[in-house]
Amino acid sequence: GAVVSQHPSRVICKSGTSVKIECRSLDFQATTMFWYRQFPKQSLMLMATSNEGSKATYEQGVEKDKFLINHASLTLSTLTVTSAHPEDSSFYICSARDPRQGKFTEAFFGQGTRLTVV
Amino acid sequence: SQQGEEDPQALSIQEGENATMNCSYKTSINNLQWYRQNSGRGLVHLILIRSNEREKHSGRLRVTLDTSKKSSSLLITASRAADTASYFCATEGAGSYQLTFGKGTKLSVIP
Repeated sequence: GAVVSQHPSRVICKSGTSVKIECRSLDFQATTMFWYRQFPKQSLMLMATSNEGSKATYEQGVEKDKFLINHASLTLSTLTVTSAHPEDSSFYICSARDPRQGKFTEAFFGQGTRLTVV
Repeated sequence: SQQGEEDPQALSIQEGENATMNCSYKTSINNLQWYRQNSGRGLVHLILIRSNEREKHSGRLRVTLDTSKKSSSLLITASRAADTASYFCATEGAGSYQLTFGKGTKLSVIP
């Protein structure tokens, strides 16, 4: 199947700094990618939909100035957590669909990024 | 919200037994998907069942869908220790390109 690669897998940063997480589709072009956040032992909550060449669509309650999303190419979307605080510590996961498989098909997920803000 | 709700939240079985997980959702869907997540990792797609399908099989997996009850079940037969993971159902509406995930079932298969 298609491959989505996410980096880094783990990051520890100091409070007040910014962290960038990359999500790449390795063998297909993704005009749309999705960013999720997962708290321990909980489900995935959609944060935003990343659209290549245009602004991301954020879910209600997600601060767009806090979580900056850039989808500058058809294979790369980045999520930047700005001025991170301990409450931003979480597991962040991206996903994308392979458009060659048509609509309403399986999603491919990155490996996830464990962010710890100290 | 059409977020799925899985039950049970946690399930512990012996290797070789069957594991059944259930998922309920609230609104009409185009399809329902099941994913598996090993601890601290991304999700892996297991199976997709469309709204006009009632049952689907893939290896040791069997998924059923009852749109009248807005529910689905995932059966893993002859479980193995390697099946230990969290399992999530995700629904996709007809007018949406997004997946909405349930809370998940944590399966532990004891060798």
